[in-house]
Amino acid sequence: DAKTTQPNSMESNEEEPVHLPCNHSTISGTDYIHWYRQLPSQGPEYVIHGLTSNVNNRMASLAIAEDRKSSTLILHRATLRDAAVYYCILRPLGYNTDKLIFGTGTRLQVFP
Amino acid sequence: GAGVSQSPSNKVTEKGKDVELRCDPISGHTALYWYRQSLGQGLEFLIYFQGNSAPDKSGLPSDRFSAERTGGSVSTLTIQRTQQEDSAVYLCASSSGQGSTEAFFGQGTRLTVV
Repeated sequence: DAKTTQPNSMESNEEEPVHLPCNHSTISGTDYIHWYRQLPSQGPEYVIHGLTSNVNNRMASLAIAEDRKSSTLILHRATLRDAAVYYCILRPLGYNTDKLIFGTGTRLQVFP
Repeated sequence: GAGVSQSPSNKVTEKGKDVELRCDPISGHTALYWYRQSLGQGLEFLIYFQGNSAPDKSGLPSDRFSAERTGGSVSTLTIQRTQQEDSAVYLCASSSGQGSTEAFFGQGTRLTVV
């Protein structure tokens, strides 16, 4: 299974940008890069995903390295509600291998 | 329904009893996943369904754990002869396809074995 590596924790002040890194050096050509976050006492929620090109949505931006061995989730202006554990996950294209494996994630603390 | 629904939301059971946890995925979603999350820990993959079949059940921790899915919809996770170490939040997720689609999670079932 392709694995991801993330820092255990990060801190930010409210209204500042946050860059959450993820290394996935064993990524294969058909793996999508997904990000989920888990707020306290809730199930995980989808944030964003991409394959090769950078992606933007209303929640965040995803910057993918040219060699696809790393990616960065960008929260443009952190709010207190963004305090959560952020997971970077690789999702393979094939049905029979779609385990959706979560690593330990990055716990983001946001200070007022 | 609008999202993934899990029931019950909380379950307290005595050690040695069997429990069944239910997951209603989003209508039309072919992929369904079960996870376990112990207090303060990450998500542990248990089993993955595509339709009614389970291409990957490698995460089931012991033969006391089993899961089935019927009609390509509802799934039941059964834990036989529960032990205290089975206490955790059990999460279910569903997805409309592989790789390029997002997965939607339920709120989980908190299982406490006393």
